[in-house]
Amino acid sequence: GIQVEQSPPDLILQEGANSTLRCNFSDSVNNLQWFHQNPWGQLINLFYIPSGTKQNGRLSATTVATERYSLLYISSSQTTDSGVYFCAVVTYNTDKLIFGTGTRLQVFP
Amino acid sequence: GAGVSQTPSNKVTEKGKYVELRCDPISGHTALYWYRQSLGQGPEFLIYFQGTGAADDSGLPNDRFFAVRPEGSVSTLKIQRTERGDSAVYLCASSSRDLVDTQYFGPGTRLTVL
Repeated sequence: GIQVEQSPPDLILQEGANSTLRCNFSDSVNNLQWFHQNPWGQLINLFYIPSGTKQNGRLSATTVATERYSLLYISSSQTTDSGVYFCAVVTYNTDKLIFGTGTRLQVFP
Repeated sequence: GAGVSQTPSNKVTEKGKYVELRCDPISGHTALYWYRQSLGQGPEFLIYFQGTGAADDSGLPNDRFFAVRPEGSVSTLKIQRTERGDSAVYLCASSSRDLVDTQYFGPGTRLTVL
């Protein structure tokens, strides 16, 4: 089945720092989403981005579908950015959203 | 508008008991999904409904798990003869048409089997 690997697995930042999270996937996708799971467990949609680039405030994302990876950029990080970031994909050969391994981010003041 | 809601938020039960978990999708969304998330892991797919029918139930772990969506809106996940290994957070999501669309997740039901 499809492999969805995220890196780094853990990231510790001081408030104000920038970071890049990566998601590699092993098959062509027709849906890719980035989520933030906050410390209370709620999965919050960040981006729907099967291809191209999007920006929303301090966050932006880029998916290069032909090379099978996506990047999530967080600028000027805040303590409220802490939590786990997941990418999730649907491929042309599956009927389900497959989640990646996640990146756990901790932002300290 | 209202998001996906799930009830109860927490459920504690004893091994061997039957439980029902409810999901109210976003109004008008035809696709509904159930996932299970164990501690430290990402969500894992259980079942996908398109309208009233299960389009893909390949993620249900065994025949103790069953889900229905009789009117194409609210869905209930049913677990018979619960086991301690069933303890997890059960998440529901909905999307407007199908798998290619954005999925929106509910807050989850934390199930604990003693």
